[in-house]
Amino acid sequence: KNQVEQSPQSLIILEGKNCTLQCNYTVSPFSNLRWYKQDTGRGPVSLTIMTFSENTKSNGRYTATLDADTKQSSLHITASQLSDSASYICVVSSGGYNKLIFGAGTRLAVHP
Amino acid sequence: DVKVTQSSRYLVKRTGEKVFLECVQDMDHENMFWYRQDPGLGLRLIYFSYDVKMKEKGDIPEGYSVSREKKERFSLILESASTNQTSMYLCASSLPLAIYEQYFGPGTRLTVT
Repeated sequence: KNQVEQSPQSLIILEGKNCTLQCNYTVSPFSNLRWYKQDTGRGPVSLTIMTFSENTKSNGRYTATLDADTKQSSLHITASQLSDSASYICVVSSGGYNKLIFGAGTRLAVHP
Repeated sequence: DVKVTQSSRYLVKRTGEKVFLECVQDMDHENMFWYRQDPGLGLRLIYFSYDVKMKEKGDIPEGYSVSREKKERFSLILESASTNQTSMYLCASSLPLAIYEQYFGPGTRLTVT
């Protein structure tokens, strides 16, 4: 069964600290993996997208990694800001781009 | 800049009412999608449409129907709302060969009492 699991479910960190969110998937065939940021009461907004051959991709203070062998991805946030408080959703595209499998998300709270 | 808008941010309806959720996109995308989002669960696909008047069932179509009369507009219909349809509803759109790159609307939080 195609699944995307994210951990932790929720996380609280202090402003300025770094954190890493995890995404494990059992999706086949794999096409690409995307991380979305969803602010409370808003729709998800794309942060990064990675294909099979990419190991790392950065978007400002966000860095995503992908290990296609172990089927794991991580999202690292550097020098967190209050505006990073949001849910982060891992999404894997499967089957020739016609199916998306969504993780349940990690809810991040950044406190001053 | 892609813009996907949804007709309401918040809705409160009574059990048994017919409910219309509307979504409009301004990027001439062929594909449009309706999802629901519940705590602890990933987004689940209700229906999608790849062209005007075309629709396909997603993973959880029961209790819902859709309408796409114009390319830019995709409506989700709850024929007889029930309390278990209380949820956040998200609309998205994409180009036909870029289903993995979906642009989302702000969502409609529907409460059925």
